Amino acid sequence: GENVEQHPSTLSVQEGDSAVIKCTYSDSASNYFPWYKQELGKGPQLIIDIRSNVGEKKDQRIAVTLNKTAKHFSLHITETQPEDSAVYFCAASINGGYQKVTFGTGTKLQVIP
Amino acid sequence: SAVISQKPSRDICQRGTSLTIQCQVDSQVTMMFWYRQQPGQSLTLIATANQGSEATYESGFVIDKFPISRPNLTFSTLTVSNMSPEDSSIYLCSVGTNSYNEQFFGPGTRLTVL
Repeated sequence: GENVEQHPSTLSVQEGDSAVIKCTYSDSASNYFPWYKQELGKGPQLIIDIRSNVGEKKDQRIAVTLNKTAKHFSLHITETQPEDSAVYFCAASINGGYQKVTFGTGTKLQVIP
Repeated sequence: SAVISQKPSRDICQRGTSLTIQCQVDSQVTMMFWYRQQPGQSLTLIATANQGSEATYESGFVIDKFPISRPNLTFSTLTVSNMSPEDSSIYLCSVGTNSYNEQFFGPGTRLTVL
């Protein structure tokens, strides 16, 4: 089955700096890669996703990149703000019909004011 | 995206008892799932709740321990049976609304077993 590794497990950045979280996956058939943000006491929230037909996707301060050859994808947050502090999960699955979504181990991001 | 609610939001239960968690969606959805998130850990899929038929369980999870119902396209329940302290976790309901595997999560139920 699919295996998703995520690094780092914790990340502290100064407000205004950028944060990068990296994930690797094992199943070359995976072609859908969502990212979730989980704030304390809440359920995970889908913040951005990317499919294998593109290499990069951007939404305001958040961007994701995908390298299918190397089987890794990354989340980039620019101009970080204290409200970005949360746990972030990457995930991977195979598009089409329903295929199981496999989650990474999570990254706890702390943005220091 | 769909609006998902869960009841209860949290509970403290005694060992050996059972708790039923409800998941309600504000629109009809094709897929509903139940996840467990142990303290400080990632999300682990327990089962896919199938409307009108038995749930599909992942390896390591069995129906006797986690019975699931899904009577219609907007509602599902997960029961945690004969609880032990190891069952203390956040239980999350999620829904899939299209074929692209996008999933949206409910707020979770925080369960503590004493």
